[in-house]
Amino acid sequence: QKEVEQDPGPLSVPEGAIVSLNCTYSNSAFQYFMWYRQYSRKGPELLMYTYSSGNKEDGRFTAQVDKSSKYISLFIRDSQPSDSATYLCASSGGSNYKLTFGKGTLLTVNP
Amino acid sequence: DSGVTQTPKHLITATGQRVTLRCSPRSGDLSVYWYQQSLDQGLQFLIQYYNGEERAKGNILERFSAQQFPDLHSELNLSSLELGDSALYFCASSDGGSTLVYGYTFGSGTRLTVV
Repeated sequence: QKEVEQDPGPLSVPEGAIVSLNCTYSNSAFQYFMWYRQYSRKGPELLMYTYSSGNKEDGRFTAQVDKSSKYISLFIRDSQPSDSATYLCASSGGSNYKLTFGKGTLLTVNP
Repeated sequence: DSGVTQTPKHLITATGQRVTLRCSPRSGDLSVYWYQQSLDQGLQFLIQYYNGEERAKGNILERFSAQQFPDLHSELNLSSLELGDSALYFCASSDGGSTLVYGYTFGSGTRLTVV
């Protein structure tokens, strides 16, 4: 079992839709949770980060972590064509700084 | 521009050959991480260096090696290349202290094609 599992999609939505992206993880030592966005032919860029359980909001983006169920979510409100990208969840914890990534979900927002 | 510089951007080489990928971290960052990204495996952690010392090792093949130099740039050496080594190779950097909270910064990658 991979430490971080993510549905690869692809996911296609109309402009303005609410998007929900989800991951599960298995390592109980994970305490830090992040979402990266990767445009085609580019490196991943950090979008959101959270520590432990709870919600964090930044503009149209909300990251949610439920440690009891080991579930990580990213919600995108009023999605835009510019949000079309691959979204990667990542987790970290323990004694080193290694981030473990999900495989990524390819999102397309259609105008 | 993320501040992490990777060269070359593209590399095409034959099986059995050896290549070197180079990474310059963001100014002030002491840690360098190497990841391999393929369609079927996603982003796989290879190795981490902190201020010249190896700190963590992932699923890095014995044919692969890396080092971080005194000026903090890092090189990933891939030898006896196989078709299956074709992938995107990313370097990322962090200050080594706040990474757990803020994540780290990726370069734009080197696309390696082995033919």
